[in-house]
Amino acid sequence: KAGVTQTPRYLIKTRGQQVTLSCSPISGHRSVSWYQQTPGQGLQFLFEYFSETQRNKGNFPGRFSGRQFSNSRSEMNVSTLELGDSALYLCASSLHSDNEQFFGPGTRLTVL
Amino acid sequence: GEDVEQSLFLSVREGDSSVINCTYTDSSSTYLYWYKQEPGAGLQLLTYIFSNMDMKQDQRLTVLLNKKDKHLSLRIADTQTGDSAIYFCASSAPQTGANNLFFGTGTRLTVIP
Repeated sequence: KAGVTQTPRYLIKTRGQQVTLSCSPISGHRSVSWYQQTPGQGLQFLFEYFSETQRNKGNFPGRFSGRQFSNSRSEMNVSTLELGDSALYLCASSLHSDNEQFFGPGTRLTVL
Repeated sequence: GEDVEQSLFLSVREGDSSVINCTYTDSSSTYLYWYKQEPGAGLQLLTYIFSNMDMKQDQRLTVLLNKKDKHLSLRIADTQTGDSAIYFCASSAPQTGANNLFFGTGTRLTVIP
């Protein structure tokens, strides 16, 4: 079974731009969660989607948004990028909303 | 919210046992996890323990949970150079969502040949 895939793997943007990251979960998994990893704040939960609905949301500003499609693929969007948004963005999938999560390799976003 | 703490660094000699410790604050945490992250990679789930257990063993890995002290440890027996990585403990609780994991800062394990 293929693992969680994330595209792109690396991205460079400038302040004020917006960005969309994509995550394809393991086949059959319906829950997708997103995390931000930075040296200063560590790993922080962004949000979780299950069956196209946002089930849970972390403590991030409204510039961070996401969605999930009927095939369980998920995208997250960050608008009006700031330097502090530079991070590794990790996506994790699980079968349901209360099962062990499997992580993708991440998308490394650099904001200049 | 939950606060999960880990020491930042651990060095061990190849063949020795490694013990990585973690403390958490939320007594309602139901699942506690250990993840491994190698350079440039995502997180690999190593093992997890349910809060009503006090020990779980999986090959070279042993997880101990002291629920009273809110202390979790991961013991790696016969540590190998391939075990060098950052190890994160994480917790989840029903009221914040089972898939909302609270992570520690990570412990960088260095295995000396």
